[in-house]
Amino acid sequence: KAGVTQTPRYLIKTRGQQVTLSCSPISGHRSVSWYQQTPGQGLQFLFEYFSETQRNKGNFPGRFSGRQFSNSRSEMNVSTLELGDSALYLCASSGTGMGQPQHFGDGTRLSIL
Amino acid sequence: AQTVTQSQPEMSVQEAETVTLSCTYDTSENNYYLFWYKQPPSRQMILVIRQEAYKQQNATENRFSVNFQKAAKSFSLKISDSQLGDTAMYFCAFMNRDDKIIFGKGTRLHILP
Repeated sequence: KAGVTQTPRYLIKTRGQQVTLSCSPISGHRSVSWYQQTPGQGLQFLFEYFSETQRNKGNFPGRFSGRQFSNSRSEMNVSTLELGDSALYLCASSGTGMGQPQHFGDGTRLSIL
Repeated sequence: AQTVTQSQPEMSVQEAETVTLSCTYDTSENNYYLFWYKQPPSRQMILVIRQEAYKQQNATENRFSVNFQKAAKSFSLKISDSQLGDTAMYFCAFMNRDDKIIFGKGTRLHILP
């Protein structure tokens, strides 16, 4: 079974631009979560989508948004990029049922110049 | 609000030794799930071990085991016979009944030859 696939692996943007990151979950997984990982803040939860609906949301500004498609693939968008948005963005999918573990992708390294 | 605390930012041990990583959490819920994840330098996060709060028996996975103390809200990870490949960031995570997951800030573990 193929794992979680994130594209692109690396991205360089400048302040004020916007960016879209993509995540394809493990086949059969309907839940997709996004995280921001930075050295200072650790792993912070952005949001979770389940069957095309946002089910949980972290404490991030509205510049961070996401969506999920009918095939469970998900995209995350960040608008008006700031220097502080430089981070590793991780996507994870999980199966149906309580307490299912997260399966992570390799992440997208976003650098803001 | 639930919180997860990993009090050891960084640790180093010699190969073949046993090491214990600490994790405490705070919740008012009775049913939840706890996880340890490992993120090697290649960066893909993988699940190490999972514990269901309503099970008193400590989970084990080969050389990895946990000491789950529900009353103390403690969930430590023990790695026996440590190997060089165990070098990684280790994250403790708490998941509530709504599948909302919170990660600790991580412990960077170095296994020395």
